[in-house]
Amino acid sequence: ETGVTQSPTHLIKTRGQQVTLRCSSQSGHNTVSWYQQALGQGPQFIFQYYREEENGRGNFPPRFSGLQFPNYSSELNVNALELDDSALYLCASSLKTGSGIQYFGAGTRLSVL
Amino acid sequence: GENVEQHPSTLSVQEGDSAVIKCTYSDSASNYFPWYKQELGKGPQLIIDIRSNVGEKKDQRIAVTLNKTAKHFSLHITETQPEDSAVYFCAASPGSGGSYIPTFGRGTSLIVHP
Repeated sequence: ETGVTQSPTHLIKTRGQQVTLRCSSQSGHNTVSWYQQALGQGPQFIFQYYREEENGRGNFPPRFSGLQFPNYSSELNVNALELDDSALYLCASSLKTGSGIQYFGAGTRLSVL
Repeated sequence: GENVEQHPSTLSVQEGDSAVIKCTYSDSASNYFPWYKQELGKGPQLIIDIRSNVGEKKDQRIAVTLNKTAKHFSLHITETQPEDSAVYFCAASPGSGGSYIPTFGRGTSLIVHP
């Protein structure tokens, strides 16, 4: 186990709704990255947070937003859900001044109906 | 941005055979190349990685090679076992000081038949 925990494990929403996903980092890690993994695809980078500030962002619209808290846990918020947002959302924690190795949680499976 | 191509998409082998998965990348600034294994219902788990100052790295039955000139890298699994069955992802990332943001390939589904 990586020590990265995500909640909830599964979620069903309808189009237009908003969702918040949560991630608890591995102890001692100060960087959190979020990825979207569509069925049959590799993870796609959404954004990364370091010390509560966004440290990089992928090609996702502004309705995808995030937060990192002082204890390095993190949230991913998605507004105005679309059917194509259905995917596995993965959180990965790492140590910015370390090797850069990212440790992934098991993910949250989001279904948008 | 970085683009990572991975082949094959599916690989079926008999137990004890070797398996090879190949990836190419586009950004010459990439200097960190991790490989992840993802089992059903789980997140990706790092199995081996290589940095651009090294051409080859081995860990028991797993080895990775890197050709920076050709911009390709490969994963080699020897003496495959049924528990090796999973989806494998390669990734490439520029970065330093731990600020790695990997771009992933589309994955290879490895099936090892007993």
